[in-house]
Amino acid sequence: AQSVTQPDIHITVSEGASLELRCNYSYGATPYLFWYVQSPGQGLQLLLKYFSGDTLVQGIKGFEAEFKRSQSSFNLRKPSVHWSDAAEYFCAVKVGGAGSYQLTFGKGTKLSVIP
Amino acid sequence: EPEVTQTPSHQVTQMGQEVILRCVPISNHLYFYWYRQILGQKVEFLVSFYNNEISEKSEIFDDQFSVERPDGSNFTLKIRSTKLEDSAMYFCASSSVTDTQYFGPGTRLTVL
Repeated sequence: AQSVTQPDIHITVSEGASLELRCNYSYGATPYLFWYVQSPGQGLQLLLKYFSGDTLVQGIKGFEAEFKRSQSSFNLRKPSVHWSDAAEYFCAVKVGGAGSYQLTFGKGTKLSVIP
Repeated sequence: EPEVTQTPSHQVTQMGQEVILRCVPISNHLYFYWYRQILGQKVEFLVSFYNNEISEKSEIFDDQFSVERPDGSNFTLKIRSTKLEDSAMYFCASSSVTDTQYFGPGTRLTVL
């Protein structure tokens, strides 16, 4: 079965510093990959997605992610973190073609930002 | 921007009671989903729904759960006889095709 690993449970960065959140997936083929963000008390907001093509994808709020097939990774990056980025970040994959709809999520990485 | 809405935001119920969680998906979407997130754990897929029938379900989605699209706008999750372990945040999502799912804000279910 497919799985998603987010190795970092909690990361703390200073405002203005760069950020990289790690995500590794386990699946034979190239899955559809997503990053979602969950602010406290809020739902899941889509940051970005990768289906095919250019392996570097841009998302909302200045985030980007890079798909690396050789490493089965889809790490999320931001060059300069803002205090409002403090939230929990979830990597997710959708595998399978027609007839398969479910997203499999990682356990999430909680981001704290020091002013 | 269209969004998925869910009601209520918080539901408290007694063990053994039935609850219905409601969702209004994005209006032109055709695929609907329920996920749950037990406190401190990962978001888990429950069920997907298309063309008025379940298209996929997880092991979690047992006989105590059911879904329905009673009219053209609402999508509901019913838990027939709630258990303590059903306490979780329940998220509804929708998509126009089977790729990008947009999530609602969630309903926090507390079973006492």
